[in-house]
Amino acid sequence: NAGVTQTPKFQVLKTGQSMTLQCAQDMNHNSMYWYRQDPGMGLRLIYYSASEGTTDKGEVPNGYNVSRLNKREFSLRLESAAPSQTSVYFCASSVTAGTGGSQPQHFGDGTRLSIL
Amino acid sequence: SQQGEEDPQALSIQEGENATMNCSYKTSINNLQWYRQNSGRGLVHLILIRSNEREKHSGRLRVTLDTSKKSSSLLITASRAADTASYFCATVHGSSNTGKLIFGQGTTLQVKP
Repeated sequence: NAGVTQTPKFQVLKTGQSMTLQCAQDMNHNSMYWYRQDPGMGLRLIYYSASEGTTDKGEVPNGYNVSRLNKREFSLRLESAAPSQTSVYFCASSVTAGTGGSQPQHFGDGTRLSIL
Repeated sequence: SQQGEEDPQALSIQEGENATMNCSYKTSINNLQWYRQNSGRGLVHLILIRSNEREKHSGRLRVTLDTSKKSSSLLITASRAADTASYFCATVHGSSNTGKLIFGQGTTLQVKP
């Protein structure tokens, strides 16, 4: 049981390049999330998908787009990468979005992205 | 905006000692979660405590919640070197049904053998 799988694990981009980060979960979860983690900070939510066919903005959505391809897969796209987007990106999933934070989230091991 | 704030930011103890981490939050909550992150890995869910609970145990973990003070603490008893990690609390605003967890900045725990 792989859980949440993120690809690639590492990537270096040049400013202005585009890239898609992939995420897949095999737990039959309905909800999926993309976070970024910067040094000395907690995780910040970029986008989330409460259920297949829906997506919505989180705290820091600017410069990103997402696609909920199907129930298993949720991708994050950087259309024109900027150095400020250098970060570690985590994908997570939960059974449902829950009410009042009632659902634990399961995380992948992250994609480490550097933009030069 | 940060809903949860952990204290201390860093903690170093000897194996066998207890470790206590604190989390404060700003708005009313229904649930509070604690996560662990080992170096280079994703977060792992440890425990969830509901707003009507004051204390919850899971193995060597004890979590308390004081809604009047908007604070929670995570106690790890008889710590081991394997407990070395960063620990985060996470909440959502009120009864929001979006699953939009807001994380604190975390406490980095080092357990020396």
